[in-house]
Amino acid sequence: GEDVEQSLFLSVREGDSSVINCTYTDSSSTYLYWYKQEPGAGLQLLTYIFSNMDMKQDQRLTVLLNKKDKHLSLRIADTQTGDSAIYFCAEISGYSTLTFGKGTMLLVSP
Amino acid sequence: EPEVTQTPSHQVTQMGQEVILRCVPISNHLYFYWYRQILGQKVEFLVSFYNNEISEKSEIFDDQFSVERPDGSNFTLKIRSTKLEDSAMYFCASSEAGTDTQYFGPGTRLTVL
Repeated sequence: GEDVEQSLFLSVREGDSSVINCTYTDSSSTYLYWYKQEPGAGLQLLTYIFSNMDMKQDQRLTVLLNKKDKHLSLRIADTQTGDSAIYFCAEISGYSTLTFGKGTMLLVSP
Repeated sequence: EPEVTQTPSHQVTQMGQEVILRCVPISNHLYFYWYRQILGQKVEFLVSFYNNEISEKSEIFDDQFSVERPDGSNFTLKIRSTKLEDSAMYFCASSEAGTDTQYFGPGTRLTVL
């Protein structure tokens, strides 16, 4: 079945770049997503990439997709303390259901 | 900016009671979803809904659960006879026609005692 895997924790210093990695299994996924969850809050859509692209840039965010290896990454440039949150990778599977990873907790220290 | 809203933010109930979780999707969206996240676990799909019908449901979504769009704005999840293991954060989401991109509400934390 579909499964999405992420590393659970990443710690960086303010101003550094953060790279959060994800692997997925459903090669038929049309879109792949990154969501952000701040403490006590809901899932905020950050960005997404269409499966026929290999890179998408959106201000400080860069998404890289390697379809051959089923590997997705999210790079946050100039990471700020406000970026501290849990980041979820998700793929579309089935009719239109999202399958999520367990989330990567990003901790940004001053 | 339009957003999905959910009420209540926190619901505490006794085992065996029925609960109704409410959602107001983004107004021009036509597809609606419920997901749940048990503490420390992944966000899991429960059900999708379109044109007043269930489009897809997971194994979790058994006869204990039902969904309804009682009017033009609300989308509800009813859990009959709640169990301890139903304790979780329940997220509602919606998407426009022609896109798979889903926008989530802030969630309802359900605690079953």
